[in-house]
Amino acid sequence: AQSVAQPEDQVNVAEGNPLTVKCTYSVSGNPYLFWYVQYPNRGLQFLLKYITGDNLVKGSYGFEAEFNKSQTSFHLKKPSALVSDSALYFCAVRDIGLRSGNTGKLIFGQGTTLQVKP
Amino acid sequence: EAQVTQNPRYLITVTGKKLTVTCSQNMNHEYMSWYRQDPGLGLRQIYYSMNVEVTDKGDVPEGYKVSRKEKRNFPLILESPSPNQTSLYFCASSLYGNGYTFGSGTRLTVV
Repeated sequence: AQSVAQPEDQVNVAEGNPLTVKCTYSVSGNPYLFWYVQYPNRGLQFLLKYITGDNLVKGSYGFEAEFNKSQTSFHLKKPSALVSDSALYFCAVRDIGLRSGNTGKLIFGQGTTLQVKP
Repeated sequence: EAQVTQNPRYLITVTGKKLTVTCSQNMNHEYMSWYRQDPGLGLRQIYYSMNVEVTDKGDVPEGYKVSRKEKRNFPLILESPSPNQTSLYFCASSLYGNGYTFGSGTRLTVV
């Protein structure tokens, strides 16, 4: 079964420092991977995705993610954190399982709260 | 503006009183889906629809119904809500599953 794991419930970082939010996945084929951000009382906003191509994917708000096939990871990164980056971050993989065919379902990790302190 | 619109944003209801959460998208997406978000569990899929009149169960469909009579609308129906359906609900749509647009969410409380 396809799955996503975000091993950290919360990540704390000082403003201006680099940040990493971790994500590992398990899929049966080639993964379609996504990162979403959720600000308080808001919906999910798309940050970036990996379908194919370069392992380093650049997204919105200065975020990037590195796809590592051997480690089955897709960590979210930003070189210099801002207080306004504080939010809940979700990693997701698209379900392309043989059992269900191409359902288009996104399977989410449990989320990681990022706290950036001034 | 391309968007997914959910209504209402907040809803408090009593056990057993039927309710409908509406979802509408203006992007002509064929795929639509409902998720619920619970602390520590991430988002779990309730139902999805690949196209008009084509719907199927997700991971947590019990207690929910959906319909897809038009491409743009995908309402979520709770025939007899119970307190364990208290949650934050999101509707999403997608074109070919390569990108997903989410609504702003509906926070439902069942007392």
